[in-house]
Amino acid sequence: GAGVSQSPSNKVTEKGKDVELRCDPISGHTALYWYRQSLGQGLEFLIYFQGNSAPDKSGLPSDRFSAERTGGSVSTLTIQRTQQEDSAVYLCASSVRGNQPQHFGDGTRLSIL
Amino acid sequence: DQQVKQNSPSLSVQEGRISILNCDYTNSMFDYFLWYKKYPAEGPTFLISISSIKDKNEDGRFTVFLNKSAKHLSLHIVPSQPGDSAVYFCAASARGSQGNLIFGKGTKLSVKP
Repeated sequence: GAGVSQSPSNKVTEKGKDVELRCDPISGHTALYWYRQSLGQGLEFLIYFQGNSAPDKSGLPSDRFSAERTGGSVSTLTIQRTQQEDSAVYLCASSVRGNQPQHFGDGTRLSIL
Repeated sequence: DQQVKQNSPSLSVQEGRISILNCDYTNSMFDYFLWYKKYPAEGPTFLISISSIKDKNEDGRFTVFLNKSAKHLSLHIVPSQPGDSAVYFCAASARGSQGNLIFGKGTKLSVKP
């Protein structure tokens, strides 16, 4: 499809396990963002990739969170040693470049038991 | 401390009438503002944006107004339709932030036939 694709759409895992969430941005978009939305909250910025520049990791809540973007396209968000407060919907967005409207995927709903 | 505030968690409007969704911000460095619409289990969809050099931007039934002195923006939907029922998020980005968006908590709009 032409939109941002995220997988899996749902993930249930036990506390302490590691999880990987994947994002396929819109082809040709150089900017890629990760956000999360906890219950009843707005979207919270996590990390931003722009081309080959070093990512802006200022929104990552702890060192258990990391992300990479390979070949300037697909991105993976990894959460190590998951905790219950990590339960949220994780959303990926891409844009033609920074400071342009961002187009979102449908998110991954992560539930930590 | 919330930098983008949507003080009304919900709004109910009759079909055909105007819907007015409000948003306040605190950061004077914000120079780009966007509205997104979100249906359940889907990612946010970009609706309309406005740069701080303007005070109004219009796209079909949607108009965004920006009052910089009051640090306030609003989204007007005229006429409202039942399909507009969704959660609406206001978002802002700051000069030099490369587009990392700060979101409000959203307003749930219900348009009744």
